[in-house]
Amino acid sequence: KQEVTQIPAALSVPEGENLVLNCSFTDSAIYNLQWFRQDPGKGLTSLLLIQSSQREQTSGRLNASLDKSSGRSTLYIAASQPGDSATYLCAVRGASGGSYIPTFGRGTSLIVHP
Amino acid sequence: EAQVTQNPRYLITVTGKKLTVTCSQNMNHEYMSWYRQDPGLGLRQIYYSMNVEVTDKGDVPEGYKVSRKEKRNFPLILESPSPNQTSLYFCASSSGRRGYSEAFFGQGTRLTVV
Repeated sequence: KQEVTQIPAALSVPEGENLVLNCSFTDSAIYNLQWFRQDPGKGLTSLLLIQSSQREQTSGRLNASLDKSSGRSTLYIAASQPGDSATYLCAVRGASGGSYIPTFGRGTSLIVHP
Repeated sequence: EAQVTQNPRYLITVTGKKLTVTCSQNMNHEYMSWYRQDPGLGLRQIYYSMNVEVTDKGDVPEGYKVSRKEKRNFPLILESPSPNQTSLYFCASSSGRRGYSEAFFGQGTRLTVV
């Protein structure tokens, strides 16, 4: 059964810092990995999708990398802003049976203070 | 516009009163799933469906039912809701193209059972 872990669980940083959020998964037989943002009590906003054949994806100040063999992904946020404050979730989509449905980590709660 | 629509967005009900949360997607996706999100526990799979008339249990199926009579709809049924089902619920869909598509999420349904 796929298990997804996100470290750290919480992070508080001053504005302007570059950040790295980590996601690890136990079964490397995945099709893709997706990073989401969630504001308190709100829905999920998809940030980046990395296919299993890809090493990284970029969108603006966000860069996500994937090392499938070691079961790791990182989300890099450059020059953080207060508006980046949210919970960041990674979800892994596996290669068999019920794991076709994304399995989530518990998220990293990020606060960027001015 | 590609979207997953859940209704209602907010619901307060009493213990034992049957309710249905609807989920509809307009992308002709094969896979649909339901999650619940609770503080400290993250997003957990309740049920999922890999196509019409094909459903299976996720990690926390007790107290829930689903049906998939049409490809676009995947309602979540609580036959006799209890207070421990108070949670934030998300419906998701994705293509069956061997996992290469991203998962799309509804905006969530906040359910309170008193």
